[in-house]
Amino acid sequence: NAGVTQTPKFRVLKTGQSMTLLCAQDMNHEYMYWYRQDPGMGLRLIHYSVGEGTTAKGEVPDGYNVSRLKKQNFLLGLESAAPSQTSVYFCASSYEGPHEQYFGPGTRLTVT
Amino acid sequence: SQQGEEDPQALSIQEGENATMNCSYKTSINNLQWYRQNSGRGLVHLILIRSNEREKHSGRLRVTLDTSKKSSSLLITASRAADTASYFCATGDMGRRALTFGSGTRLQVQP
Repeated sequence: NAGVTQTPKFRVLKTGQSMTLLCAQDMNHEYMYWYRQDPGMGLRLIHYSVGEGTTAKGEVPDGYNVSRLKKQNFLLGLESAAPSQTSVYFCASSYEGPHEQYFGPGTRLTVT
Repeated sequence: SQQGEEDPQALSIQEGENATMNCSYKTSINNLQWYRQNSGRGLVHLILIRSNEREKHSGRLRVTLDTSKKSSSLLITASRAADTASYFCATGDMGRRALTFGSGTRLQVQP
């Protein structure tokens, strides 16, 4: 089992460009999450999903959109990237909401 | 907003010593979890303690939970250089379908 995978691992964008980060899990988990982690800080929740076809806003959703068309995939989109979105992005999944979460390796995004 | 706040922010010890990290939180919880993050990697779940439990062990890890003080501690005994990492507490409650993470403790274990 691969667990939780994320693509790409690294990306550099110019301000105003768009991109999509892909998260995939093979554990048949219902819940999936997108976090961002900035230097010296913990994780902040961007968006999450409690099942296929559902999405919900987290703590810092502005500037991001998500989709969960298939149970195993959770996509995070940046429509018009800004330097403030420079961060490391982590995807996670869990069987239940407030339970053990499994994390992907992260995507390091730089917006210039 | 950060629910859990870890203390200290950074800790440096010698190999073989014990390391203690503390976490305080603000609201009622169903469980509290601890995660480890090695530099440049994703978080790895270490241990979960439910709100009706006071202490839990897993290998060299010991977690305590005091719901009256809204605090938890993580003890790593006989530390090793490989324990060098950041450690995060996270709180969960059924009303909120996600965990809330603290800002972490950076542990450095000197060989």
